[in-house]
Amino acid sequence: GDSVTQMEGPVTLSEEAFLTINCTYTATGYPSLFWYVQYPGEGLQLLLKATKADDKGSNKGFEATYRKETTSFHLEKGSVQVSDSAVYFCALTHSGGGADGLTFGKGTHLIIQP
Amino acid sequence: DVKVTQSSRYLVKRTGEKVFLECVQDMDHENMFWYRQDPGLGLRLIYFSYDVKMKEKGDIPEGYSVSREKKERFSLILESASTNQTSMYLCASSSSIQYFGAGTRLSVL
Repeated sequence: GDSVTQMEGPVTLSEEAFLTINCTYTATGYPSLFWYVQYPGEGLQLLLKATKADDKGSNKGFEATYRKETTSFHLEKGSVQVSDSAVYFCALTHSGGGADGLTFGKGTHLIIQP
Repeated sequence: DVKVTQSSRYLVKRTGEKVFLECVQDMDHENMFWYRQDPGLGLRLIYFSYDVKMKEKGDIPEGYSVSREKKERFSLILESASTNQTSMYLCASSSSIQYFGAGTRLSVL
């Protein structure tokens, strides 16, 4: 079956540091890929997505590129802020129309120190 | 804005009780989902529904059932709650992107 692997956390960085959170996946075909973010006490919010190979998703300074050859979708941000502290989930689905569930990684807890 | 509302943020129940978790969405989405979130395990799909009165098992359906009598409402039912069902439960609805509710933290004592 499908699976998503994320780097283990917590990841602790100083404000304005460069961020990379690794995500690799195992799936047949060409799934759609997502990054979701969960702030303390809240549900998940979509951060960005990519639906085909070489697509780059971006939002709020975060970026991730769909790499079919390495089955990866690493999340990056050039300069993190304290407000970026949250748990980040990489996920995939085979349904472009949203009819199937998402397969999630275990989540990476990011802590940004001032 | 899409709104997915879960009726309770926190719930405490006793072993053996029948528990209902309610979820309502306001975007006329066809598809709705129930996940549970546990530390170190991420989110796992319990059940989903792509239409009224339709349901599909997800990855971990054992011990749960669901009800979708109206398009906007999707209920998760624990027929006889057990301590290993203590968890955070997240509801989502989608057309092409899944939108999540704030979650219900259930404790079964």
